[in-house]
Formats: sequence, C-alpha cells, structure tokens
Amino acid sequence: DGGITQSPKYLFRKEGQNVTLSCEQNLNHDAMYWYRQDPGQGLRLIYYSQIVNDFQKGDIAEGYSVSREKKESFPLTVTSAQKNPTAFYLCASSMTSGGQSGELFFGEGSRLTVL
Amino acid sequence: AQTVTQSQPEMSVQEAETVTLSCTYDTSESDYYLFWYKQPPSRQMILVIRQEAYKQQNATENRFSVNFQKAAKSFSLKISDSQLGDAAMYFCAYRSDAGGTSYGKLTFGQGTILTVHP
Repeated sequence: DGGITQSPKYLFRKEGQNVTLSCEQNLNHDAMYWYRQDPGQGLRLIYYSQIVNDFQKGDIAEGYSVSREKKESFPLTVTSAQKNPTAFYLCASSMTSGGQSGELFFGEGSRLTVL
Repeated sequence: AQTVTQSQPEMSVQEAETVTLSCTYDTSESDYYLFWYKQPPSRQMILVIRQEAYKQQNATENRFSVNFQKAAKSFSLKISDSQLGDAAMYFCAYRSDAGGTSYGKLTFGQGTILTVHP
C-alpha cells in the first residue's frame, strides 16, 4: 500500500545531541513537508521541498535542517540549536502538478522527547 | 501572511446528533483551498473534506459538510449523525493557490477537540 512512513515513532534525546527523523514516501509525490505539533498551537511548518535537491524554510526552521537527495526521502535533523525540541513531528507529501488541490498526505508522526 | 483561527478548543456532541465546528481565516487572496483534517488518538491526520474557493457550492462528503462563506472568510464543518469514531481533534487548514514557492504549504488552525458521548 502507498503511504508515508516515519521512524522512529518515539525518540528520546539528551540535551546537546542531534537527532534525525526519517520520512519515506512511495506515493510518487514531488513535494514533502515537515510540521511540528505542540498542544494548543496546531501544526507549524518547519521545512518543505517541492523537488529533489531543493528545499525552503517554513515558519519555524531555526534549529532544524533537512536534505532531499531522493524523491522518496526527506529526513529532518533536530540540532542542539533547537531550544525546545520536545514535540510531535509530522511528515507529509503532496502532488505539485497543476489542477490539484494540494491535499497533504501525512505519516503517523514521531514523538521526540528531550531528557 | 494568512492566518487560520479555530475559536472552539473543545466541543462535545451526543451520538447521532449534529455538531458544527467553526473556522475563520484571514487572507487577501481570491484563489485558495480550504480543508478540514481529522486527527484521531492514533495521531495520523486524515483529510475529511476540501473546498475550492472559486466554487460557490458547499462541499459534502457523506455525513460531513461545510458552510463556506467567502465574504465572511468563514469555513465551518458540520458533522451529522455523529458517531463514536468521529471523536478526534479537527484542524481547519488553508492553502494558497497563488502558485510558486507557496504551492502546497498549508496553514493550520489550533484545532478543536471533539468528544462524542454515547
């Protein structure tokens, strides 16, 4: 079945450590996104990529980094510079061809806790 | 920048009854899409319904329908014949249709937690 796979589902990190969250999709979508979810704040966009080897900062990119070396993969690294990284992270993808509504398809999410 | 506001942090409904979730948004654009997403306890986001701004007719998907008021920038979700499986957090979202680098970026509201009582 086509979909988006995020791993790990749960991750614990010590302060000062970088961690990388994996996101893989087999929907043949061009665009991929990372959102952060905190209680009471909805989803906020961290980074997005519309094509391989290109990506743009979202609204809260500070302390995060991404790469897009393959169409199927869009890993997110939470660096030690991110001051409050404990959150639920959602990866999504969408078509970018004209005429599409741009509906996002989401993974199941990864919960990061900083100890 | 566009903003999306959901003014109801929590709502509750009796099973088989109808409930309406509110959403307002702010934009200067004329072409855009609006969405309602459902996030059940499993945390995976699921699309409930979409509305194209250029369409005057309100979208409907089975028990789910919207009341889209473009001039008022309002986009409410009505759930009829509520079921226990409807219990979830619901997010309203906006996407510009302006193209370019904005394509595909969704702006979400804060969410409304819906409880369904048996």
